[in-house]
Amino acid sequence: GAGVSQSPSNKVTEKGKDVELRCDPISGHTALYWYRQSLGQGLEFLIYFQGNSAPDKSGLPSDRFSAERTGGSVSTLTIQRTQQEDSAVYLCASSLRELAKNIQYFGAGTRLSVL
Amino acid sequence: GQNIDQPTEMTATEGAIVQINCTYQTSGFNGLFWYQQHAGEAPTFLSYNVLDGLEEKGRFSSFLSRSKGYSYLLLKELQMKDSASYLCAVRGPTGGGNKLTFGTGTQLKVEL
Repeated sequence: GAGVSQSPSNKVTEKGKDVELRCDPISGHTALYWYRQSLGQGLEFLIYFQGNSAPDKSGLPSDRFSAERTGGSVSTLTIQRTQQEDSAVYLCASSLRELAKNIQYFGAGTRLSVL
Repeated sequence: GQNIDQPTEMTATEGAIVQINCTYQTSGFNGLFWYQQHAGEAPTFLSYNVLDGLEEKGRFSSFLSRSKGYSYLLLKELQMKDSASYLCAVRGPTGGGNKLTFGTGTQLKVEL
């Protein structure tokens, strides 16, 4: 079956512009996560959606970052007024909450470059 | 919070065995994961430990000691395709969601 799909795979934008990054999770997965991977840094948690519960936004670095998940499936991460420090790979993952291991399956990411 | 430490780089020879260590300090623990990530690709799940001891899966094994805050990933019969970054990640306490805290990754280079 299809894995986690992210688009675009690469995005180059100018400082100050808004960008939208999309994630299609594995079908049937109830949980969806966004992480950021900067050069030389570990994956950094951003936000977590689980079913119809309120999302855990504790990792969002500023109010320029927001995310939504429509219909319990596709998610969009929006970065407003992008800054150069936002340049990173943005990774999405999904999981089946019901399983004890709750393994997160990752997409290949969107590489964002802010000029 | 969580703090994860692992070596930045390691080099090993094809056919050999390599052990990648991970230490963590955590305010809560609910499992440790190892992922493999080839450059430009998605991290892929390798192993999961929640109880002390060794979990073996083919050429890969992972060990956990909760009292020491320590884990290692053991790769046997190394192949060139094993050259990748290996990510150690800890899941926080039950009720805190399923978010993972990752180390910076260990870049493994397998040489002939």
